[in-house]
Amino acid sequence: QQPVQSPQAVILREGEDAVINCSSSKALYSVHWYRQKHGEAPVFLMILLKGGEQKGHDKISASFNEKKQQSSLYLTASQLSYSGTYFCGTGEGSNYKLTFGKGTLLTVNP
Amino acid sequence: DADVTQTPRNRITKTGKRIMLECSQTKGHDRMYWYRQDPGLGLQLIYYSFDVKDINKGEISDGYSVSRQAQAKFSLSLESAIPNQTALYFCATSDLVRNEQFFGPGTRLTVL
Repeated sequence: QQPVQSPQAVILREGEDAVINCSSSKALYSVHWYRQKHGEAPVFLMILLKGGEQKGHDKISASFNEKKQQSSLYLTASQLSYSGTYFCGTGEGSNYKLTFGKGTLLTVNP
Repeated sequence: DADVTQTPRNRITKTGKRIMLECSQTKGHDRMYWYRQDPGLGLQLIYYSFDVKDINKGEISDGYSVSRQAQAKFSLSLESAIPNQTALYFCATSDLVRNEQFFGPGTRLTVL
């Protein structure tokens, strides 16, 4: 079953923050986050494994609450380059087959 | 050079035709995947392979078949194409350690 992402779309001005949520009805082993720019392939951002860890690099970070089967992606001080569609992919076990959400379209305006 | 390549990049075909999409990788990964992307639906898994002798159906395998010719090559076939198979198709690979997926550039398929 597909994880549910919210919001479906968000529009920001440069420098503003955003949070994208990913929720599953199944127990999760891992959550992946990818970003896809228009007309391009998805690009890996980060992976979070069962254990509730938080990861991040630069101004993009994420958390994983395994008890709630939820993950959140945090984008702080957004830049124009952050624009794109963000997908979460959830894995139920170590076999690494992922199920992707429908995506969240993020638009950052000057 | 790209690590994951897909051919063709664009294809227009007619209903009922057989078509093959090819994927090659130079990353040395054992795991390969085929996804379909439709606007607003995200990425849906068609087939995946964890090694040359292991092929598994994904969420939407009906109407598709695959062949893993070698570690580096994974092909997707539509035996008799139909218009609702018009979509963007991505191949991806992953390794056993980090498991991040690397996507090819995609093949845009139109079935008339």
